Amino acid sequence: QKEVEQNSGPLSVPEGAIASLNCTYSDRVSQSFFWYRQYSGKSPELIMSIYSNGDKEDGRFTAQLNKASQYVSLLIRDSQPSDSATYLCAVMSGGTSYGKLTFGQGTILTVHP
Amino acid sequence: EPEVTQTPSHQVTQMGQEVILRCVPISNHLYFYWYRQILGQKVEFLVSFYNNEISEKSEIFDDQFSVERPDGSNFTLKIRSTKLEDSAMYFCASSDSGAQLRIGTFGSGTRLTVV
Repeated sequence: QKEVEQNSGPLSVPEGAIASLNCTYSDRVSQSFFWYRQYSGKSPELIMSIYSNGDKEDGRFTAQLNKASQYVSLLIRDSQPSDSATYLCAVMSGGTSYGKLTFGQGTILTVHP
Repeated sequence: EPEVTQTPSHQVTQMGQEVILRCVPISNHLYFYWYRQILGQKVEFLVSFYNNEISEKSEIFDDQFSVERPDGSNFTLKIRSTKLEDSAMYFCASSDSGAQLRIGTFGSGTRLTVV
């Protein structure tokens, strides 16, 4: 059973702080890693994708991947109240599992003014 | 910004009835998917579809479920005889044929309530 684990939170940070979200996965052959943001009652929205070890930055977001440790993280710098949402880590295996994402349970982030 | 369109946004049905959830994927995409999310739980993969056939399906996707691409634009999920536990948000998604098949866009979802 392929698992993706996240701290469910809630994680509460003040406005302007760095929010750090973590995710571990069990399937060693996983090749693609994604972070989605989901507002209550809405669909997941892709915010970052990462495929190789190291850091990937996009605006206020930085994704970090360590395949040896089977660990992926998301940093949100200068957090804003509008960042308050559930953040979903998702993993895609290689091979023929095209498009089959395994999601974590999500981390609820609250950014307070 | 291209989007995946789902209809209806909310469907209420009686247990045992058939429902069809509809999706219009992004026009140049070739891979299509259904996911579902039971309230308060994880988003779960149901099925992927490519070249007019199922590529992969999960354990959830049993004989009660079927998918179809009846024409060049629609992609449907049918549940033949709904159960209470089918109540969930159903998301459609699509992706292109790039080397890394990332799902950038989910539809806004259909909330299915089985009573």
